[in-house]
Amino acid sequence: AQTVTQSQPEMSVQEAETVTLSCTYDTSESDYYLFWYKQPPSRQMILVIRQEAYKQQNATENRFSVNFQKAAKSFSLKISDSQLGDAAMYFCAYRSGNTNAGKSTFGDGTTLTVKP
Amino acid sequence: DADVTQTPRNRITKTGKRIMLECSQTKGHDRMYWYRQDPGLGLRLIYYSFDVKDINKGEISDGYSVSRQAQAKFSLSLESAIPNQTALYFCATTPGGAGGTDTQYFGPGTRLTVL
Repeated sequence: AQTVTQSQPEMSVQEAETVTLSCTYDTSESDYYLFWYKQPPSRQMILVIRQEAYKQQNATENRFSVNFQKAAKSFSLKISDSQLGDAAMYFCAYRSGNTNAGKSTFGDGTTLTVKP
Repeated sequence: DADVTQTPRNRITKTGKRIMLECSQTKGHDRMYWYRQDPGLGLRLIYYSFDVKDINKGEISDGYSVSRQAQAKFSLSLESAIPNQTALYFCATTPGGAGGTDTQYFGPGTRLTVL
């Protein structure tokens, strides 16, 4: 079974600074997808960024980028120029490339505080 | 309008009551999922459905049942609610086939409290 570990329950960053959230995962599969979701106080799960395991290039979405290290099974999220609206809980998630696998596996989350 | 909707958004009930949470989607996706989120934890899968006639148990299905009334509707029932089922419940969807491995689209969540 796949597992996802987020080792930082809480992180804080100064507004306009950069912060990196860590995620490691364990799998025996070679084909899979990795995601970062943001959950603000509104509770909505919002997709931040997505990475296909077969792609070597790290995904980027505006101020959000990942450092995907497939051999090390590491998938960290970097937030540049942090804004107050980035404050939320962030979840790392794994999804199998097997279309019959069904579920996503989530980490326990990292709560990010942004200080003005 | 939201692509994935959940009703109710908040519910307080008593131990032993039967309760149903409903999910509807307008994305035309074949696959639907129910997750549970407890404080300080990630989402855990309760049930999932690949189409109207295909329903599967997730990792924490005990105490829950589901019904896939149509492609667009997937309901979660607690037959006899207990306090440790107090949690935030999410519905999600993905396309079928190869798209089933792709991004999940989440509803806004239902906050359920069992007294």
